[in-house]
Amino acid sequence: GQNIDQPTEMTATEGAIVQINCTYQTSGFNGLFWYQQHAGEAPTFLSYNVLDGLEEKGRFSSFLSRSKGYSYLLLKELQMKDSASYLCAPSLTGGGNKLTFGTGTQLKVEL
Amino acid sequence: DVKVTQSSRYLVKRTGEKVFLECVQDMDHENMFWYRQDPGLGLRLIYFSYDVKMKEKGDIPEGYSVSREKKERFSLILESASTNQTSMYLCASSYDGELFFGEGSRLTVL
Repeated sequence: GQNIDQPTEMTATEGAIVQINCTYQTSGFNGLFWYQQHAGEAPTFLSYNVLDGLEEKGRFSSFLSRSKGYSYLLLKELQMKDSASYLCAPSLTGGGNKLTFGTGTQLKVEL
Repeated sequence: DVKVTQSSRYLVKRTGEKVFLECVQDMDHENMFWYRQDPGLGLRLIYFSYDVKMKEKGDIPEGYSVSREKKERFSLILESASTNQTSMYLCASSYDGELFFGEGSRLTVL
């Protein structure tokens, strides 16, 4: 079976940095996706890590350690519009390369 | 831009009704998926398909079936809707693992 663990809620201040952690145990692993979902909207792609290490993309970075089953999403220079749910999603081997999702971390950015 | 279109944003149905949720994608993707999303439970995979006429059960297939007669269209069917199927349903297609989601269909079963 699959087990994905990420914090339910986090609160941070505008302009600050926040790190959202995700640990996973899956049978068959290709890589790990992070998605952002604003309330009432569909999830949108943020990042994809296949190899160990840090991938940087503007204000957002994502890290993966395959041996530890661990990833994090780092958001810098937080803005109010970053208030959303952040979904950790390991990609599994096999037909369809299906993604299995964590329950998401609800991030609230305050002034 | 990839476009995944779900036929209805909001539906209200009665217990026992047959419900069809339609999803169409315009990017010739092989893989298509149906998820449901519920508070505290996150996104859960119902069914997926990696080719026309092919379907695979996801994590929660009970009470659902699917149809993929054409590459661009993936339909979710609730043969006899029940109140515990009240949820947000999200369709997605994928290329190289990345999912592209539709806007979602919020189904209420009374």
